[in-house]
Amino acid sequence: QSALTQPASVSGSPGQSITISCTGTSSDVGNYNLVSWYQQHPGKAPKLMIYENSKRPSGVSIRFSGSKSGNTASLTISGLQAEDEADYHCCSYAGSSSWVFGGGTRLTVL
Amino acid sequence: QVQLVESGGGVVQPGRSLRLSCAASGFTLSSHGMYWVRQAPGKGLEWVAFIWYDGSEKNYADSVRGRFTISRDNSKNTLYLQMNSLRAEDTAVYYCGRDKGRGTYYDTYGMDVCGQGTTVTVSS
Repeated sequence: QSALTQPASVSGSPGQSITISCTGTSSDVGNYNLVSWYQQHPGKAPKLMIYENSKRPSGVSIRFSGSKSGNTASLTISGLQAEDEADYHCCSYAGSSSWVFGGGTRLTVL
Repeated sequence: QVQLVESGGGVVQPGRSLRLSCAASGFTLSSHGMYWVRQAPGKGLEWVAFIWYDGSEKNYADSVRGRFTISRDNSKNTLYLQMNSLRAEDTAVYYCGRDKGRGTYYDTYGMDVCGQGTTVTVSS
């Protein structure tokens, strides 16, 4: 049950696009189409932004998109806004009713 | 609307026990798999435990297996986490979460909603 690998931090200017990667193994990310992404503002609960690799829950901005290739999933945020500044966590199914999260990425909007 | 409310957190000495509860409302608990996820101070999220919609299957992170037990009472719309032999490294905010599906091998999608969390501090 090793954690998925995410960059500790990323940054971008308003209006730009950024991508956060999430690297796992062939036992988790690479084996299932069940990667989710969560946004978490300081002191708040996580909020689902992407599920099943690339699906967006209702109410989530179309500026958020997800993808997966091999053992790596990615979250892209386009048209960065100040309110996007938060921590982002990826999570993948790892089989047999087990799940694994990444270490989290701090997004700074410059 | 869908709501999950955790309770039962507090300060506890190492080696002692604590039971967390998660009250569900706004949806049919018996139709969903459920999670416990935690976040240590300044750290990322960590999956702790998962239970199928009917309680027939459960699984745990290696860090808590043998010490923590997840259970549910669908008649009371409540999820539980019994935590025994607590350690300093169990100090965290504990969130309960809902799976979009029943949580079985072919009907699981990940956590779509979670509560606001309850804080557990293990310290002498």
